[in-house]
Amino acid sequence: NAGVTQTPKFQVLKTGQSMTLQCAQDMNHNSMYWYRQDPGMGLRLIYYSASEGTTDKGEVPNGYNVSRLNKREFSLRLESAAPSQTSVYFCASRGTGMNTEAFFGQGTRLTVV
Amino acid sequence: DAKTTQPPSMDCAEGRAANLPCNHSTISGNEYVYWYRQIHSQGPQYIIHGLKNNETNEMASLIITEDRKSSTLILPHATLRDTAVYYCIVRPPHLQGAQKLVFGQGTRLTINP
Repeated sequence: NAGVTQTPKFQVLKTGQSMTLQCAQDMNHNSMYWYRQDPGMGLRLIYYSASEGTTDKGEVPNGYNVSRLNKREFSLRLESAAPSQTSVYFCASRGTGMNTEAFFGQGTRLTVV
Repeated sequence: DAKTTQPPSMDCAEGRAANLPCNHSTISGNEYVYWYRQIHSQGPQYIIHGLKNNETNEMASLIITEDRKSSTLILPHATLRDTAVYYCIVRPPHLQGAQKLVFGQGTRLTINP
């Protein structure tokens, strides 16, 4: 059982480049989330998805787009990367059963130069 | 979701009990209290949750005050591996659908040898 898998683990981009961060979960969870974490800071919610086909903005959505491709996958896209988007990105998923704790991936460390 | 307030940092001696407080004075009657922790730069990990009764599992105990406006996470015999950032979150039950799962700054707990 892999849980939540994020790819890539590390990425360096030049300012203005675009890329997509991938996230997949194998726990049949309805809800999925994307967070960013800057050095020494807490987690900030970028976007979340209650179910396949739905997405909603979080605390810091500007500069990002998301796609809930199917129940398993939730991708985060940076259309034109900026140095301010240098951060560690975490994906999470959560079910709707009795135990509704969130499970997190190991993160994608993104540097924009 | 109700906001939470936690001390930014705490220290505890190895082998002693670590007591981490959280204030959630605006909590609603159906909102649960959840605790997560983040070790180094890994993805956050669920610890425990509760509604109004005290809860205990293999990792920790959760004490919620009778008025539910505050809670304390207790690590009974702290080890060096418990050094982490601990997040307290309150949110409605899963039946209300996917909620913004918002993390605050958390408490950076350092266990000293």
